[in-house]
Formats: sequence, C-alpha cells, structure tokens
Amino acid sequence: DGGITQSPKYLFRKEGQNVTLSCEQNLNHDAMYWYRQDPGQGLRLIYYSQIVNDFQKGDIAEGYSVSREKKESFPLTVTSAQKNPTAFYLCASSIDLTSLDSPLHFGNGTRLTVT
Amino acid sequence: AQKVTQAQTEISVVEKEDVTLDCVYETRDTTYYLFWYKQPPSGELVFLIRRNSFDEQNEISGRYSWNFQKSTSSFNFTITASQVVDSAVYFCALSEADSGTYKYIFGTGTRLKVLA
Repeated sequence: DGGITQSPKYLFRKEGQNVTLSCEQNLNHDAMYWYRQDPGQGLRLIYYSQIVNDFQKGDIAEGYSVSREKKESFPLTVTSAQKNPTAFYLCASSIDLTSLDSPLHFGNGTRLTVT
Repeated sequence: AQKVTQAQTEISVVEKEDVTLDCVYETRDTTYYLFWYKQPPSGELVFLIRRNSFDEQNEISGRYSWNFQKSTSSFNFTITASQVVDSAVYFCALSEADSGTYKYIFGTGTRLKVLA
C-alpha cells in the first residue's frame, strides 16, 4: 500500500541539540510538506517542496531546515535555534503544488519533546 | 486575509445523536477548494471530502453529509447517528492560490467526543 512513513513516532531531546525527523513517501507525489500542530492552533506550515533540490519556507520556518535530495524523502531538522520545539510534527504530500483540488496525504506524525 | 474558522473547540454527544461541525472561511479568490479531514487518536489526518467553489451541491456519504453555502461562506459537516469510532479531531481546510502555487489554510479543528 502506498503511503507516508514518519519516524520515529516519539522523540525526546535535550535543549540545545539538533534533531532530524524522517519522512518517506511511496505515492510518487511531487509535493511534500511539513506541518507543526500545537493544541488549539491547528496546523501551521513549516516548509514545502515541489521538486527535488527545491523547497520553500512556510509560515513558521525559523529554527527549522529541510532537504529534498530524493523525490521520496523530505527530512526535517529542528535546530537549537527553534525556541519552542516541543510539538507534534506532520509530514504530508500531494500530487503537485499546481493542482488546486489535490488533497494532502499525511503520515502518522512524530511527537517531539525537548526538555 | 484568507482564513478558516472552526468556532467549536470541542463537542460531546451521546452515541446515535446527530452532530454538526461548523466551518466558516474567508477568501478573495473566486476559485478555491474546501476540504474536511479527520484526525483519529493515531495522529494521521485522513481526507474525507473536497468541494470546489463552483459546486454548491450538498453531498452525502453514508452517515456523513456536507452543506456548502457560498452566501454564508460556510462548509458544515454533519454526522448522523454518531458512533464512538467517530471520536476524533476534525479539520476544515481551504485551498487557495498563492503566487502560482496552491496552499492550504487549516482551521484550528473541532474535537468530537462520542460517548457510549
């Protein structure tokens, strides 16, 4: 079955450490996204990518970095510059960024706790 | 500014009751899409339905129905005869154009609790 795999499901880190969240898709989708979910705030876009080696900042990109070396993979690094990193992170994909009607397909998410 | 409002933060109903989740949106675009997603406790958001701005026909899928009214900028979601498995967070989203690409704007979600 095609889908999006995020790992790990739970991640614990000490403050000041960088951490990378994995996202892999086998849907052959061009577009991939990272969202952050906090209680009562819905989903906020961190970064998105339309093609390999190209990505754009979303609404809350500060303190995060991404790469897109392969179509299937879009890892997110939460750096020590992110002031409030504890959150639930969701990776998503869609056919492309030019189809208005294309729904997002989501992974199961990674819950990051930084202490 | 474009935005999506889900004013109901949390709703609790008893099993078999009908429940309506409200969604109000704002956009200056004439062409856009509206979506509903379900987020069960497992965390993954599941796509339920999409509706384009030119199609105001209501839709029914089993116990689920959606009412789209452009005049009030609303896209409400009704679950008939609710079941415990319907317990989840439900998100409404708007897809709108932004400099040649399309972006999603999500509401803050409504947590539905269906009690046995």
